[in-house]
Amino acid sequence: DQQVKQNSPSLSVQEGRISILNCDYTNSMFDYFLWYKKYPAEGPTFLISISSIKDKNEDGRFTVFLNKSAKHLSLHIVPSQPGDSAVYFCAATDVDTDKLIFGTGTRLQVFP
Amino acid sequence: KAGVTQTPRYLIKTRGQQVTLSCSPISGHRSVSWYQQTPGQGLQFLFEYFSETQRNKGNFPGRFSGRQFSNSRSEMNVSTLELGDSALYLCASSFGQHTGELFFGEGSRLTVL
Repeated sequence: DQQVKQNSPSLSVQEGRISILNCDYTNSMFDYFLWYKKYPAEGPTFLISISSIKDKNEDGRFTVFLNKSAKHLSLHIVPSQPGDSAVYFCAATDVDTDKLIFGTGTRLQVFP
Repeated sequence: KAGVTQTPRYLIKTRGQQVTLSCSPISGHRSVSWYQQTPGQGLQFLFEYFSETQRNKGNFPGRFSGRQFSNSRSEMNVSTLELGDSALYLCASSFGQHTGELFFGEGSRLTVL
């Protein structure tokens, strides 16, 4: 039972363009959402987060959007750079259990 | 400030054996969580410890266990290894109780033959 779903296992984007990574969730008790980035042979690193009381959070080239009614969040990277090539995981915190649940990840490749 | 340290980084075991993985959190962090990463499954939550107490547990069989010591260092143990236990095991720490932003180690890659 995957409560956090990233339906696109991979995404390929040209350098300079926008990358949009999507994430859907099923649990209405999730109240905090995060994106992590993972390079090969490294642990995931925190990228950006958003509280359920907001619908947008921006940090430099990275913006996360939250649509609570659709149970959907997305990460926008503008402009995309080759160094952004990594696996991106979305994650959500369950306010009931306080567990952090991760999605399956999307591999982003930014090509020149 | 040193990051989260996991040992060993790589190990190979055979079915039926048991394994112990170690995690040293960032100094001052009291919460340690463990995740299993396999292809196509993302990061699956194993358990979380805070001040030597297991606060949360994922949906893994009893063969998976863990503990946390008074210095916040943590170990996880997998007994009676199965082929499907082959995975990257990630440890993450945070200062307080689990709020979401975690600091991960590089992981311990376990291969079960």
